[in-house]
Amino acid sequence: DIQMTQSPSTLSASVGDRVTITCRASQSISSWLAWYQQKPGKAPKLLIYKASSLESGVPSRFSGSGSGTEFTLTISSLQPDDFATYYCQQYNSYSRSFGQGTKVEIK
Amino acid sequence: EVQLVQSGAEVKKPGESLKISCKGSGYSFTSYWIGWVRQMPGKGLEWMGIIYPGDSDTRYSPSFQGQVTISADKSISTAYLQWSSLKASDTAMYYCARQLKGRSPFDYWGQGTLVTVSS
Repeated sequence: DIQMTQSPSTLSASVGDRVTITCRASQSISSWLAWYQQKPGKAPKLLIYKASSLESGVPSRFSGSGSGTEFTLTISSLQPDDFATYYCQQYNSYSRSFGQGTKVEIK
Repeated sequence: EVQLVQSGAEVKKPGESLKISCKGSGYSFTSYWIGWVRQMPGKGLEWMGIIYPGDSDTRYSPSFQGQVTISADKSISTAYLQWSSLKASDTAMYYCARQLKGRSPFDYWGQGTLVTVSS
């Protein structure tokens, strides 16, 4: 199984801050990585696929980068609606594991 | 409009069986995989397995193989997740989600089904 490790687990930030979340895979997954946003009591929402492609309707302040085993999700200017938990997911193999999540909190 | 509508919350006792459902609409149900994801209270997302309703090809995470059964009835555009004997540790929110064949992420999600197992 491919293990996905996110850091940090929790991040405290203010509106307007630039925020970066890292996701590492235990083996190369090429660019087969997605990022999801989840708010309390809601289903996850796809933000980024294939490491850096923005899902339709997602604000351009979200961006993704990386390949192989290291990936990042960046929010260029944090907005009030962005306080949530973010998960990466690899889909290189049939068993498609998630990272443990990064909670973005208000500072 | 693409929709995945899941069955309602369940409260069960340990040892009981359960089958929850996920009905797809607004797209060709047999052309997308349907996956199931567990989220235990206060915890992260866990990928359980997927099924391709077109031919019932099913894949399981090693962590869930033998613990649950994933199935689908393409005639009514519905996928299922079932347990033969529930445990208290099965208490969680369960989400279904769809993905294209091949290497694709989950692009649409159901609203979730809360399963509570308690004596």
